[in-house]
This record gives sequence, C-alpha cells and structure tokens, in this order.
Amino acid sequence: EAGVAQSPRYKIIEKRQSVAFWCNPISGHATLYWYQQILGQGPKLLIQFQNNGVVDDSQLPKDRFSAERLKGVDSTLKIQPAKLEDSAVYLCASSPRHRVRANEKLFFGSGTQLSVL
Amino acid sequence: AQTVTQSQPEMSVQEAETVTLSCTYDTSESDYYLFWYKQPPSRQMILVIRQEAYKQQNATENRFSVNFQKAAKSFSLKISDSQLGDAAMYFCAYRSAKAAGNKLTFGGGTRVLVKP
Repeated sequence: EAGVAQSPRYKIIEKRQSVAFWCNPISGHATLYWYQQILGQGPKLLIQFQNNGVVDDSQLPKDRFSAERLKGVDSTLKIQPAKLEDSAVYLCASSPRHRVRANEKLFFGSGTQLSVL
Repeated sequence: AQTVTQSQPEMSVQEAETVTLSCTYDTSESDYYLFWYKQPPSRQMILVIRQEAYKQQNATENRFSVNFQKAAKSFSLKISDSQLGDAAMYFCAYRSAKAAGNKLTFGGGTRVLVKP
C-alpha cells in the first residue's frame, strides 16, 4: 500500500513569509497528526485530526499556525508569518482507527524540512 | 505532564555486536504504552517495538528486545547482532492509555552508529 505522502520535501523562506505543507495520509486512515521536529529533538505533536475534526491542538501556536483536513483526507499546515524558530522538520502521520487506541502504530511520512532565514 | 528522557545522545556499536539504548519516563499513571521508533536519514519514523505497561513480559521483535522496569520507569532497547541498516536515530515514546490527552510524547533521541 502507498505510504503517507508529504510535499514539499524541502522549503527555504525568509522570516515573516508564509508557507504551507501538504499531507496525504494512507487511504482509509481516519486519524492524522502533524508533528514538529526541531533539530536535535524528538517530534512534538502540533495537531491531531479524527476525520476532519480537531482532537488536540493544544500545542499549536494558533497566532501563526493553522491546519485543516479537507473532507477527512488530505491536510495542509500553514505558517503565517514564519519566525526563525519555526525552522524544523514537519512530519505528518496517520493511523487507521476512528477511535484511537493508545497502542496503535503510527505511519509517518518523510516530512518537510523548513529553513527560515 | 509526562516526560521522556534519553540520556545517550549517541551510541556506537560494531557490526554483529549488541547495543543497549536507555530511556526513562515520568508519569503518575499506571496504564500506558511505550514505544521505540527508528528514524533513518530518510526522516520517516518507523515503529520498532512496543510494550504495554500492564504486561510484565518484555516485548521482543526479532533482533530487538526491551527491558521494561515499571517501578523504575525505565524502558531500554537492546539491538542484537547489529547490522549496518540499524544506523539511525532512535526515539523512545510514551502514550497514556486514557482516551483524553493521549498524545505520543517522544524523548530527545539517541543516534546509533554501526561500524563495519
């Protein structure tokens, strides 16, 4: 089966510019996650969707970050305006169940590496 | 809030030898799950092994095994017969069994280098 697709793979922008990342989860997966991974750190959850509803966005900086999941399938994560500290890898992951089980495996994409200059 | 700590930034192992990665976590909960994920240079995180806190038996997946010490809140990963393809970042992760707020919390990672 096809994996989690993300684009672009790399993005370089100036601070205060806007940027958007796209994720296409595995077909049929109900739950979608966006993680931010700063260099030298583990991933941190930004937002979790179940179908097209938000389950957890407690760590999303809502003054500059936004995310949506179109029709419960694809998702976009946007940063506007970007700051230097937003430089990181943005990972998308999905899992199959509508009702998330804590022991379930997450399937990750290869991420988008963002550099803010 | 739960925290996960990996105290070893980098570990080196000779091919075919064994290496053990350390992980400790802090929680007040009794029911949870622990995971080890591998992140190769491709950046795609891959699940290596998982452990349920209520199970005393340590999980094993082929050359990968864990030593789960619940009282000590310790969850180490042992890689046996190391192969060149095992070279990657390894992340320990915690997830509460409660439905609310059960996001996956990762440690800072350990880089594993495999020498031929």
